[in-house]
Amino acid sequence: DTGVSQDPRHKITKRGQNVTFRCDPISEHNRLYWYRQTLGQGPEFLTYFQNEAQLEKSRLLSDRFSAERPKGSFSTLEIQRTEQGDSAMYLCASSSRGPRETQYFGPGTRLLVL
Amino acid sequence: AQTVTQSQPEMSVQEAETVTLSCTYDTSESDYYLFWYKQPPSRQMILVIRQEAYKQQNATENRFSVNFQKAAKSFSLKISDSQLGDAAMYFCAYLYTDKLIFGTGTRLQVFP
Repeated sequence: DTGVSQDPRHKITKRGQNVTFRCDPISEHNRLYWYRQTLGQGPEFLTYFQNEAQLEKSRLLSDRFSAERPKGSFSTLEIQRTEQGDSAMYLCASSSRGPRETQYFGPGTRLLVL
Repeated sequence: AQTVTQSQPEMSVQEAETVTLSCTYDTSESDYYLFWYKQPPSRQMILVIRQEAYKQQNATENRFSVNFQKAAKSFSLKISDSQLGDAAMYFCAYLYTDKLIFGTGTRLQVFP
């Protein structure tokens, strides 16, 4: 049973560049979540998908952020025109069908914007 | 608004001893789910234990157990027979409309 995987694990970029992260959920899970975690804080919800439909987006998700899950399997999170404040750990989680199933997390992508 | 508060930024325990991590939350809902997650240094977050609010019985997973006090909105985690591998950040989380709301975490140190 493979867990949630994320790629890349680390990303260093310069301010103003675009970055894209990928998340592969546990294979039978139809729900996929993105969270952001800054140093010393708990994760904060960004957005989530049920299959390919994006059901909710946090107000934290500015216009520079876009997430997709085109075929209901893997998901991508893109940040355009990165800012230093975007530096954080981006966590992906997945859960099986049903609104109250446990979410299982991936290892995260740590982003540093210089 | 739903909030989760962890008032202990750091805790320490000696190996083989017992430690309790505190968590309080605020909600107007009557049916909800609570979780404790563990995040070891530079490693991914893993589920420790889950509690359904409609269940009066406290959840237990091996050395980990919770003290769920619904009226007081308290959800503490007890770790018995602490091991060096228990050292990590521990996050309390509330499941609200399909998204998790996390506390700020408690860093647990385990001394030999």
